[in-house]
Amino acid sequence: RKEVEQDPGPFNVPEGATVAFNCTYSNSASQSFFWYRQDCRKEPKLLMSVYSSGNEDGRFTAQLNRASQYISLLIRDSKLSDSATYLCVVNRGSTLGRLYFGRGTQLTVWP
Amino acid sequence: DAMVIQNPRYQVTQFGKPVTLSCSQTLNHNVMYWYQQKSSQAPKLLFHYYDKDFNNEADTPDNFQSRRPNTSFCFLDIRSPGLGDAAMYLCATSPQLGGRIHTQYFGPGTRLTVL
Repeated sequence: RKEVEQDPGPFNVPEGATVAFNCTYSNSASQSFFWYRQDCRKEPKLLMSVYSSGNEDGRFTAQLNRASQYISLLIRDSKLSDSATYLCVVNRGSTLGRLYFGRGTQLTVWP
Repeated sequence: DAMVIQNPRYQVTQFGKPVTLSCSQTLNHNVMYWYQQKSSQAPKLLFHYYDKDFNNEADTPDNFQSRRPNTSFCFLDIRSPGLGDAAMYLCATSPQLGGRIHTQYFGPGTRLTVL
């Protein structure tokens, strides 16, 4: 079983739509969780960290369910500029800082 | 201002011809990583340095080597590139704060083409 699993999509939504991505992780020892965004042929960039209490950054809301080992990302009022691949990333929290990446979920927002 | 810099951004090499990719950082982070990312796949960790301590992933081929002469610089050497090594190579850095590793900052990547 892969360390991090994501629905690869693609998700194609109109501007203004709300879209949700899900991710599951296999290792219950995982301690830190992130969503990264990767534009085509560019490097991954940190979108937001995910905290147990859930957190929001503008139009983006991340949720963590440790019991189900499940992470989500909700994007409200989608913009054309949100088109990208969203990577779910998990860190077991060791001093080695080993990150485990999902394959990413591709999002296309159309006008 | 660029904080993690990779050179070159695009590299073309011939099958079997050694190639070196470089990464430098202005963040003074003590941990540096090299990832390989192929199209539509997740980044795959090749190895990382914790200060000067080298940590190789078990499934990283011997064809891939790395050097870290100082805190700021890290190199990826591919001794005999094969067609299957064509990929984006990403360098990342991370600070260790309070005994734990925090998030990673990626460079723009080097896209390697093998002819």
